[in-house]
This record gives sequence, structure tokens and C-alpha cells, in this order.
Amino acid sequence: DAMVIQNPRYQVTQFGKPVTLSCSQTLNHNVMYWYQQKSSQAPKLLFHYYDKDFNNEADTPDNFQSRRPNTSFCFLDIRSPGLGDAAMYLCATSRDDPYTDTQYFGPGTRLTVL
Amino acid sequence: ILNVEQSPQSLHVQEGDSTNFTCSFPSSNFYALHWYRWETAKSPEALFVMTLNGDEKKKGRISATLNTKEGYSYLYIKGSQPEDSATYLCAFRNEKLTFGTGTRLTIIP
Repeated sequence: DAMVIQNPRYQVTQFGKPVTLSCSQTLNHNVMYWYQQKSSQAPKLLFHYYDKDFNNEADTPDNFQSRRPNTSFCFLDIRSPGLGDAAMYLCATSRDDPYTDTQYFGPGTRLTVL
Repeated sequence: ILNVEQSPQSLHVQEGDSTNFTCSFPSSNFYALHWYRWETAKSPEALFVMTLNGDEKKKGRISATLNTKEGYSYLYIKGSQPEDSATYLCAFRNEKLTFGTGTRLTIIP
């Protein structure tokens, strides 16, 4: 089945220790997104790739970076995690239709920062 | 900052009862309104994408309506079952998808 896969499902890191979360998709969608969801809050868009074009949200901290080496894979790098970065991180993909494009989500990676 | 609000935040419903909840969103610059169901430990799953004022969509026992002029959408579940227990997220689409905080639904057997 075509799907969006996120690894790992749970990640524990130490304060200040770089961490990378990964996302892969078999849907061959050209847009990939990273969202951050903190407890009891709405998922918040961090950035997205349209093909290889990177689009950062204005309020995404510089501490968060992303790489998309090919259509299938996208990575979220947190350079120096702080306690406030503990959250669920969701990856999603879509085709690019601004009116009706459904986003297909992975199950998320829950990040704990000690 | 776009405000997408969902109410109630949480809801407990007896199995077999019907229920509904609300999503409110800006009435300007509207592209689409999305509903997702998110079960614990699973991926958020798309339920509906609604684009036209007056749209009504149905999937089994779940249906949704859309009013873009006043900026709200209702999600209805008829004859709730335990497998309906999940968080229901709505998201307003213009240049990007802006989510609400969700309604957490628990069905009591």
C-alpha cells in the first residue's frame, strides 16, 4: 500500500544534542511537509518542499532545518534541541492542487528532550 | 494569524448515540476545508475535502456540511461506535493548511 512512513516513532534526545527525523513516501507526491504539534495545540506547519524548492514558514526557528535528497525522502534536522522542542512531528505529502489537495500523513515521531 | 477553532475540545458519547461538533474558520480567502480523523498511534486520515458553500459530504455514518459565508463546518456522526473514538481535526486551506486543535471524541460502550 502506498503510504507515508516516519522513523523512528519515538525519539529521545538530550538537550542540545542534534537529532534527525526521517520521512519517506511511496505516493510519488511532489510536495512534502513537516508539522510540529505540541500537547493540546494544533499541528503547526514548519516548512514544506515543492519538489526541490524549500519553503520555510516565517516563524520557524533557525534551529530547524530540512533536507530532501530525492522525491521519496525528507528529513527534519533539529540542530540544538531545547526542552520546548519536545513535540509530535508529523510528515505529510500531497500533490499540488491548492483547492482540493488532500495531505497524507505519516504516524508521527514523538520527540522527547531530556 | 488565522483562527481555526473547534468545539467542543472533548466529548464523551454513549455508543449508539449521534453527535456533532463544529469548526469555525475565516470567511475570506477560502480555498477548502478539510476534516481529518486521528486515532491514537495511527496517521491522521483524511475524511473530507469541502470547497463549495453548501457542500455536504458523507462517508458511511459520518457526514459534514460547509458554510463558507459565515465560516463554519459541522461534522456529524450517526449511531456512534467504539471505533469512532479519535481526535477529529479540521483544517482551513488558503495558501497553506491551518489546523484547529481538534475535538477528542470518546465513545462509551
